[in-house]
Amino acid sequence: GAVVSQHPSWVICKSGTSVKIECRSLDFQATTMFWYRQFPKQSLMLMATSNEGSKATYEQGVEKDKFLINHASLTLSTLTVTSAHPEDSSFYICSASALEGGKLFFGSGTQLSVL
Amino acid sequence: AQKVTQAQTEISVVEKEDVTLDCVYETRDTTYYLFWYKQPPSGELVFLIRRNSFDEQNEISGRYSWNFQKSTSSFNFTITASQVVDSAVYFCALSEPASSNTGKLIFGQGTTLQVKP
Repeated sequence: GAVVSQHPSWVICKSGTSVKIECRSLDFQATTMFWYRQFPKQSLMLMATSNEGSKATYEQGVEKDKFLINHASLTLSTLTVTSAHPEDSSFYICSASALEGGKLFFGSGTQLSVL
Repeated sequence: AQKVTQAQTEISVVEKEDVTLDCVYETRDTTYYLFWYKQPPSGELVFLIRRNSFDEQNEISGRYSWNFQKSTSSFNFTITASQVVDSAVYFCALSEPASSNTGKLIFGQGTTLQVKP
């Protein structure tokens, strides 16, 4: 079946640094990928929709200058958390939509801890 | 506005009991998809089912079954003869119109299921 690879699985960084998270669709092309954030014991909240070759669409309340999204190819989207702060510590998870059938596949998530 | 409500925050059962996780949704769209995902302690989301709004047939997959009632806007999930490995957080989700196929999901708050041996 279709697989979405997300890397890294976890990252610890110092406050003020930037962190890049990659999301790859391994055996299918995904023109659209999605980035979610999940705080402990809470639901997943959509942050942005990443479209290949165009600018991402951000949900209300999500700072686009802080959470940079690049979707350079049909199989790769990246989320960069710029100048990370402790309140950015969260579980970030991406998903990709397979063109046929409309199924969604999720990456395994990235646990970000900002010290 | 679209909304998904999972009223049960936590459920605890003993192994081999049956358990039903409730999901109620709100949408003005006539076409949409409903999903259930399992999130074990490791964090990844495991796809369980996707249901088209036009298909109200109940579905059974092994110990899992789903009851879709459009009249009550509910999409409940039942695990029969629960096992310890079923312990996880379960999310119900609703997508935007099926025709757009965007895959943008609105998640419920999740239900934490604990199955005790």
